[in-house]
Amino acid sequence: GAGVSQSPSNKVTEKGKDVELRCDPISGHTALYWYRQSLGQGLEFLIYFQGNSAPDKSGLPSDRFSAERTGGSVSTLTIQRTQQEDSAVYLCASNRIGYGYTFGSGTRLTVV
Amino acid sequence: QKEVEQDPGPLSVPEGAIVSLNCTYSNSAFQYFMWYRQYSRKGPELLMYTYSSGNKEDGRFTAQVDKSSKYISLFIRDSQPSDSATYLCAMSDGTGGFKTIFGAGTRLFVKA
Repeated sequence: GAGVSQSPSNKVTEKGKDVELRCDPISGHTALYWYRQSLGQGLEFLIYFQGNSAPDKSGLPSDRFSAERTGGSVSTLTIQRTQQEDSAVYLCASNRIGYGYTFGSGTRLTVV
Repeated sequence: QKEVEQDPGPLSVPEGAIVSLNCTYSNSAFQYFMWYRQYSRKGPELLMYTYSSGNKEDGRFTAQVDKSSKYISLFIRDSQPSDSATYLCAMSDGTGGFKTIFGAGTRLFVKA
């Protein structure tokens, strides 16, 4: 596609529920990243996928967070048993290595 | 201490002013320096990309990197109301698939 597509754009969920966030990167971009942006905070790295290599999960804040990337393309970030502190904008980006990122518009997650 | 420090502002200037945005960093391994612009409820978009020290100019925007001082700047000449956005500095050492560390962002308002 022409850009990075994320869905849903907004998600309101009850505390304790599981949520899935989807990212469709730019075709031909081998790397995909998930970041989290909380109010007044910078972008916090979560996870990175590159081709068929093992993902870099060093930024995932707890074992309630997981992500997968199928067929080297679409990625899903899953948050289990959501907590109020999980409320944030979740941003996905893709790039060719050595180039800057192209971001999606993000998923705004609100846990009530 | 954060790896990347950026004054969150807000910074308010009149139309036509020269704007200076700055970041400091602590990791001397950073080689790639970027500025992203983020409009409200949108993902960040890459504005400037530089490698190592020096200046880069693109239209009304100039990026400067001083690796000896671990200090980077973005200058906006003849600022316009459409420049009102949050500006995030970002940097990478090129490893980990170009994993990028972001500043917290500076909110800029350009008044007509």
